[in-house]
Amino acid sequence: DIQLTQSPSSLSASVGGRVTIACRASQGINNNLAWFQQKPGKAPKSLIYAASNLQSGVSSKFSGSGSGTDFTLTISSLQPEDVATYYCQQHDTYPLTFGGGTKVEIE
Amino acid sequence: EVQLVESGGGLVQPGGSLRLSCVASGFSFSDHYMDWVRQAPGKGLEWVGRSRSKVNSYTTEYAASVKGRFSISRDDSRNSVDLQMNSLQTEDTAMYYCGRSHCTTYQCPWADDYFDHWGQGALVTVSS
Repeated sequence: DIQLTQSPSSLSASVGGRVTIACRASQGINNNLAWFQQKPGKAPKSLIYAASNLQSGVSSKFSGSGSGTDFTLTISSLQPEDVATYYCQQHDTYPLTFGGGTKVEIE
Repeated sequence: EVQLVESGGGLVQPGGSLRLSCVASGFSFSDHYMDWVRQAPGKGLEWVGRSRSKVNSYTTEYAASVKGRFSISRDDSRNSVDLQMNSLQTEDTAMYYCGRSHCTTYQCPWADDYFDHWGQGALVTVSS
């Protein structure tokens, strides 16, 4: 199975600050990586697919980058409504797997 | 508007069975792969399995942790996909989410096989 390692597991940043979350795959996944946001008590929300493509209706303050095994999610200007746990997921092979999550809070 | 609504969750004893349903609206259900993903209390997301679309002969895939115990079926006439869970164990306690894959084509390429919509979840508690 492909393992996805996210770092850090949690972070806090100032309102307006830039946030970067890393996701490393245990083997190459051809850029087939998605990112999700999950607010407390809510279902996941799809943000990005195929490493860098923004889902329809998602704010452009979210961006994804990377290739091969190393990927990044960036929030350009953190706002209180962005407090959530963020997960990466590979859509390259079965079984589909998720990273362990990164909890983002406001300082 | 795409909507996915899960139902059927509840409390079940270890070794018991439960059937979850996900009813979809707002899109052509028969065209899409449909998946189940779960989340144990306080834990991360875990993929459970999927049903491919009609053009892909409704074939299924499962995570190793549930293979042989869980099965996924769909009824395109009712726009629903079910998760039949047998031989439930305490470690199956989780919120179960229905997810739609963007995939609509025959032998969908992985680049197009990503989740784009989720239901609100159904809670399954396995306890004596």
